[in-house]
Amino acid sequence: EVQLVESGGGLVQPGRSLKLSCLASGFTFSNYGMNWIRQAPGKGLEWVASISSSSSYIYYADTVKGRFTISRDNAKNTLYLQMTSLRSEDTALYYCARGASFAYWGQGTLVTVSS
Amino acid sequence: DIQMTQSPSSMSASLGDRVTITCRASQDIGNYLSWFQQKPGKSPRRMIYGATNLAAGVPSRFSGSRSGSDYSLTISSLESEDMAIYYCLQSIQYPFTFGSGTKLEIK
Repeated sequence: EVQLVESGGGLVQPGRSLKLSCLASGFTFSNYGMNWIRQAPGKGLEWVASISSSSSYIYYADTVKGRFTISRDNAKNTLYLQMTSLRSEDTALYYCARGASFAYWGQGTLVTVSS
Repeated sequence: DIQMTQSPSSMSASLGDRVTITCRASQDIGNYLSWFQQKPGKSPRRMIYGATNLAAGVPSRFSGSRSGSDYSLTISSLESEDMAIYYCLQSIQYPFTFGSGTKLEIK
């Protein structure tokens, strides 16, 4: 069974940093690109970043470019999102999802940016 | 960036009704269009991929179609469990973009 479990969310002050993780199981993690998507409270879905299976290709939304870094450790079956210079508008539920088809999603981890 | 214009933003329909939700792409996206269902407090669930392909485990009353740059999700006979917000997603070009969502309510 494919499982994606996000962690690392929490309450953080504006301007600070936070690192999210997504632990994958039930499939060969190194064979798939991965994505981060976020959803602000009461709002729609926003694609954040994607990384290819070998980390050769990385893409970001303009809203996070230069502040967020997506990475992965295929030996640990884990996807990461390093978030710096956090703003109030980054407050959201952050999901990881598998592949360009977004076939599987985690349950999300909540990031709240507030003083 | 490719814009996905989704309509309607909300709708109410009766059990057994045929329901159609549409996304219009601002550029050619071929068949790189997926539909997702999100119920309150839950993660999105992929319903349709490749514009017309039913995802595994999705009831056959759901279908996807394309007419030019217009993509549609149709529920042939609405059931109570279909109450949710539906989103489209284009995945042909980065940045990937979602539609703004359609909130489907049961009358």
